[in-house]
Amino acid sequence: QLQLQESGPGLVKPSETLSLTCTVSGGSISSSSYYWGWIRQPPGKGLEWIGSIYYSGSTYYNPSLKSRVTISVDTSKNQFSLKLSSVTAADTAVYYCARRIFGTKRFDPWGQGTLVTVSS
Amino acid sequence: QSVLTQPPSVSGAPGQRVTISCTGSSSNIGAGYDVHWYQQLPGTAPKLLIYGNSNRPSGVPDRFSGSKSGTSASLAITGLQAEDEADYYCQSYDSSLSGLYVFGTGTKVTVL
Repeated sequence: QLQLQESGPGLVKPSETLSLTCTVSGGSISSSSYYWGWIRQPPGKGLEWIGSIYYSGSTYYNPSLKSRVTISVDTSKNQFSLKLSSVTAADTAVYYCARRIFGTKRFDPWGQGTLVTVSS
Repeated sequence: QSVLTQPPSVSGAPGQRVTISCTGSSSNIGAGYDVHWYQQLPGTAPKLLIYGNSNRPSGVPDRFSGSKSGTSASLAITGLQAEDEADYYCQSYDSSLSGLYVFGTGTKVTVL
């Protein structure tokens, strides 16, 4: 059964870069059948798609975050990563990684999520 | 800023039927893109509940059903149970600059 696990610092200072990694187990990130994505949820608020990546390295980003987001993939480690630069308190959120099946536009399954707080 | 609008909350007694609406526009639901629904139990990650407007993944009870018409979609829960108390989000694809993959504002279901 496919599982995803987010990891990374839980506290980031304002203006710095947030970095998270999602480790995929129970399946290959190099499968041509899937995209891999990041979604976030500020405390008490709704969900926001950040971006997605294919195993080949093709990326798609939310236009509202595109200037600050970089998503990359490491097929040798079965991982993909998120970098969000110039963070502010508004970037405080639970960050989830998730799989999207190629040819569909739904996300399943999701990782358990990791809370990242932006504070000095 | 969500482009799919849901009611903030709905409630019902055990055994009752509740529905959650998801209103979009001509660039997402109205453009023919599928609507998916997620259930988020307290303190947990969202879980796919309905995909492709009306399909249930394996393991999801048939008390949950989805439909879509025009620029809107709906999720119905029949025979409401205490364990259904959660937040529910719709999700679709948007062909404008809103963000490609868009989520609803979320609805809190309370079992009275």
